[in-house]
Amino acid sequence: EVQVVESGGGLIQPGGSLRLSCAASEFIVSHTYMTWVRQAPGKGLEWVSLIFSGGSTYYADSVKGRFAISRDDSKNMLYLQMNNLRVEDTAIYYCARGAGSNWFDPWGQGTLVTVSS
Amino acid sequence: SYELTQSLSVSVALGQTARITCGGDNIGGKIVHWYQQKPGQAPVLVIYRDNNRPSGIPERFSGSNSGNTATLTISRAQVGDEADYYCQVWDSSTGILFGGGTKVTVL
Repeated sequence: EVQVVESGGGLIQPGGSLRLSCAASEFIVSHTYMTWVRQAPGKGLEWVSLIFSGGSTYYADSVKGRFAISRDDSKNMLYLQMNNLRVEDTAIYYCARGAGSNWFDPWGQGTLVTVSS
Repeated sequence: SYELTQSLSVSVALGQTARITCGGDNIGGKIVHWYQQKPGQAPVLVIYRDNNRPSGIPERFSGSNSGNTATLTISRAQVGDEADYYCQVWDSSTGILFGGGTKVTVL
């Protein structure tokens, strides 16, 4: 079964760093494009970052310069390095596989990041 | 920057048709995808490329896109269709963009 599973969330103080991981099963991460999407408590979906198969990366303005998306092809893993975290970065972070004209399927169950002092 | 506008909520009687709209400037010129998110769960793709259903999604779900409005239609609505629904596009200046989401309630 094609699936993705996120991990690495937790409680972190403002200004801190955290790295999220996304493990892919039954497909090769480097052969497609992948994305991170977050959802603040009680709010809607917000796109965070995307990496294409060729390695090009894109970021939402809200995280540009603080977050970095990457992948480890040998481990078939996707990552999101989050630096200088802010209270407003508190959210569930979802990893998803991209397909076709920029739709995403499947999504993982998400990992919760809480930024608080 | 490009924006997508969705109604906050839609109510539909059991067995009737619900229409969820996603507004955007000439959105008909873009490709729209739709996701369903039930409470405490991850989003699930229900319509891709305007009007295509992934395998496993009931035929009761359909989509259309023209002019300034894309529409997700749920026919013969069931209690199990209660969820938040999000439209999504790719915009060349913004990247991936989601609508604000519409909460569907089946009465």
